[in-house]
Amino acid sequence: QSVLTQPPSVSAAPGQKVTISCSGSSSNIGNNYVSWYQQLPGTAPKLLIYDNNKRPSGIPDRFSGSKSGTSATLGITGLQTGDEADYYCGTWDSSLSGEVFGGGTKLTVL
Amino acid sequence: QVQLQESGPGLVKPSQTLSLTCTVSGGSISSGDYYWSWIRQPPGKGLEWIGYIYYSGSTYYNPSLKSRVTISVDTSKNQFSLKLSSVTAADTAVYYCARAVVVVTARFARQNWFDPWGQGTLVTVSS
Repeated sequence: QSVLTQPPSVSAAPGQKVTISCSGSSSNIGNNYVSWYQQLPGTAPKLLIYDNNKRPSGIPDRFSGSKSGTSATLGITGLQTGDEADYYCGTWDSSLSGEVFGGGTKLTVL
Repeated sequence: QVQLQESGPGLVKPSQTLSLTCTVSGGSISSGDYYWSWIRQPPGKGLEWIGYIYYSGSTYYNPSLKSRVTISVDTSKNQFSLKLSSVTAADTAVYYCARAVVVVTARFARQNWFDPWGQGTLVTVSS
């Protein structure tokens, strides 16, 4: 069982918006910064969001991140079939003294 | 741009030691701005952080794996390595190496992230 809790799956139609939640505690999300990763089928994870809400160069502004208290959210607008992937949140856990990830959320674009 | 590539045996026998190397190209592992990390993913499951190392040799390990893990760095070859001892079938996974940004703010908050990642290598533990 993962330290960070994500919904196993979400789905939406092309062109629509979807949000993926990541719930934690004061020892992880509550006092540290969150990153998000996209893992397309059969490939390595790729950084989407860092420092809660910053996008690396090359990541379209359709992807956004936010944090409130002990939860974080990844938002994707203008969904495309190419966005079908697994999405993971990650952060540092001060109590465990280690990096932790959510269990992952599978996005289906119907 | 920096690229990372994992290498090592794809099959390891139970109780033996898993050994992998990550070769970094397009940048120096000694730049001092980054940590160098190992992360694994069992088939069909999520990500698990194994640990990371600074070019000076300072290491941080996942407490749940710490007794079996050693991460080392060879700056002359621009490589870092993973050794995981006493493996069992539960250690079967795709192993990724990744560059890590590790920042501690004035309020002791961690601004950490992993980018880029290697393509990953599947290691199966089986007799």
